[in-house]
Amino acid sequence: DQQVKQNSPSLSVQEGRISILNCDYTNSMFDYFLWYKKYPAEGPTFLISISSIKDKNEDGRFTVFLNKSAKHLSLHIVPSQPGDSAVYFCAASAGSQGNLIFGKGTKLSVKP
Amino acid sequence: EAGVAQSPRYKIIEKRQSVAFWCNPISGHATLYWYQQILGQGPKLLIQFQNNGVVDDSQLPKDRFSAERLKGVDSTLKIQPAKLEDSAVYLCASSLNRQETQYFGPGTRLLVL
Repeated sequence: DQQVKQNSPSLSVQEGRISILNCDYTNSMFDYFLWYKKYPAEGPTFLISISSIKDKNEDGRFTVFLNKSAKHLSLHIVPSQPGDSAVYFCAASAGSQGNLIFGKGTKLSVKP
Repeated sequence: EAGVAQSPRYKIIEKRQSVAFWCNPISGHATLYWYQQILGQGPKLLIQFQNNGVVDDSQLPKDRFSAERLKGVDSTLKIQPAKLEDSAVYLCASSLNRQETQYFGPGTRLLVL
C-alpha cells in the first residue's frame, strides 16, 4: 500500500513558466514533508520541507504548499529553469524522527 | 565539506553470489541510513543506525542482508546470497541526528544476473 503517491510520472514545462509537482499521502500520522531533487547518477538532494503546523514554506524560487484536510502537498517552482530538470521525490514522516516514506518521483523537464 | 561517499559505484554479479557496499558518512553525522531504490520507485529504508547501534531494521531482509557500523563511522551493507530482485541502487545517507536533514551519497548501482 503506497502511503505517499506522486501520480504524475513526468511533467514538461517551458523555461520561465511555473512548474507544479503534486503529492498525495494517506497516512494521517504524517506531519513532516520534504521534497528531494535527483539528477541522474547522483543521490537525492534535499530541496525544501514543511511541517504540518504550516500551510506554506518558501525558499527562493521554490514554494511548498500543504493542504492537510486533502492530504495533499505541492511544490511550485517559479520561474522554471533548464537546470531544474530532474526527478523530484516527495517524502513524508511521522514526527521529525520518523522514517522517511518516499513517493515514486516525478521527472520534470524544463525546455528552453 | 565532503559529502557522503559510497563505493563501488557499480557492481555486476551473478545470482547466489555475495556483494558488499561501503559508505563513509559526512564527518560528525551520528545517524546513518541505507536505502534500496528499485527502478521506477522511490528510495525505501532498509536500516538506520544511531552511532553504532541499530535504530530500525524492520525493512531489512535479514535472511540475506546484513549491515554494520563499527566505531560509529563507516558502514557496510552485505547481500549474501544475491537474488535477481536485489538489482537496485543502494543509497547511503547521513544526518547530524535523527531530526536533521538527510544527505545522500551517489549510490551503488547493483545488477544481479
